[in-house]
Order: sequence, then structure tokens, then C-alpha cells
Amino acid sequence: EIVLTQSPGTLSLSPGERATLSCRASQSVSSSYLAWYQQKPGQAPRLLIYGASSRATGIPDRFSGSGSGTDFTLTISRLEPEDFAVYYCQQYGSSPTFGQGTKVEIK
Amino acid sequence: QVQLVESGGGLVKPGGSLRLSCAASGFTFSDYYMSWIRQAPGKGLEWVSYISSSSSYTNYADSVKGRFTISRDNAKNSLYLQMNSLRAEDTAVYYCARGKYAFDIWGQGTMVTVSS
Repeated sequence: EIVLTQSPGTLSLSPGERATLSCRASQSVSSSYLAWYQQKPGQAPRLLIYGASSRATGIPDRFSGSGSGTDFTLTISRLEPEDFAVYYCQQYGSSPTFGQGTKVEIK
Repeated sequence: QVQLVESGGGLVKPGGSLRLSCAASGFTFSDYYMSWIRQAPGKGLEWVSYISSSSSYTNYADSVKGRFTISRDNAKNSLYLQMNSLRAEDTAVYYCARGKYAFDIWGQGTMVTVSS
């Protein structure tokens, strides 16, 4: 099983700032199979990024994904008030696994 | 619009059984792999199972293998999860989601509580 480790656990930032979230895999992941999700309290997760860098339908271009192999990054260029949430990375190897999440909170 | 609606959650005793359902609408259900993903209270996401579009292939997380069974009825646009031998650690919100690699559509979830 591929283990995904996200860092930091919590990111305290102000609206307008740039957020950089990291996802590290225990073994190499095909870029085609790395996704990012956003989850707000009481809501289902929402797909943001798939294939490591492709934005899902309707996702604003302030969200971008990058990386390959074992190191992947989600960047939010300028935080909007609605972006404060928990973010998960996810990979598909033999079976899908998720990272433990990064909480982006208002500083 | 594209929608998934889960039902069937509730309170069940350890060792008991429960069957979850997920009704799909707004897309051609029979074209897609479908999955179940769960989230324990205050915890992260855990993939549970997926099923191929024609039901010919299924896969399960080790934590539920042998106890849970995923199935679908394409004529009814419905996905199911039969959960047997339930344990306290199965307590979670259960989401159905579209896809096998990335999950692009999610339901609102149904809560399953396993407690005596």
C-alpha cells in the first residue's frame, strides 16, 4: 500500500496569501493518478485537481497542482475566504489511498 | 443535475449488518466505475471499495475484505454496499463517489454508527 504523508498538518495564513501544501508518497506514484480534494465542515469532499496538475471542472485557476514521482504540491496562489478548509491528496496504485489532510486556517 | 444520494445508514450493534444504497442521476451511470469512501468522526478519508461499470471487477480495502460486498444495478442507477460483521471501527460517514482513479462526484454521505 502506498502511504501518502501531507505537510504541514495545519497552515495558518491570511486571505490574499499564497498557500503551498505538500504530499509525499512512500513509493513512486504515476502522475496520472494523483488527485487533490477540498473538504469544508459538514460537506463532502470536492475534487480540485486530477492527474497531478489538471483542474477539475469549475475549479478556479488560483488552484494549481504540480509534482511527480514521490513529491506533489498543491498551490493556492491567493487565498480567498472560501478556501479555508481541509485538503487531501489521493493516489491510485493497486488501491486508492488518501493523505491525512492539511488544514488551511485563517491566521 | 449530476447527483448521488446515499441512504441506509443508522445505528447497528457490533456483529450486525446494514445495506447502504446510492441513487445516481444526471449522468449515464452504467458508463462509470463507482466507489464507496468513508470518514470516521473527526478523521480523514478512507477508500472502502470500487466496482467496475459492468460489475465484472471489484476491489476492497483490507480493513473490510470478507465483510463488505459492493454491487450495483445499472437498470436502477443504483450502487449498494452490504456490510456484515460490523465493528465499532466501521463507524463513519459513508460516501458514494463516481470514479476509480479520481472521484469527481460525491454524495452527501450517510452515517453508520456501530455501538451496543
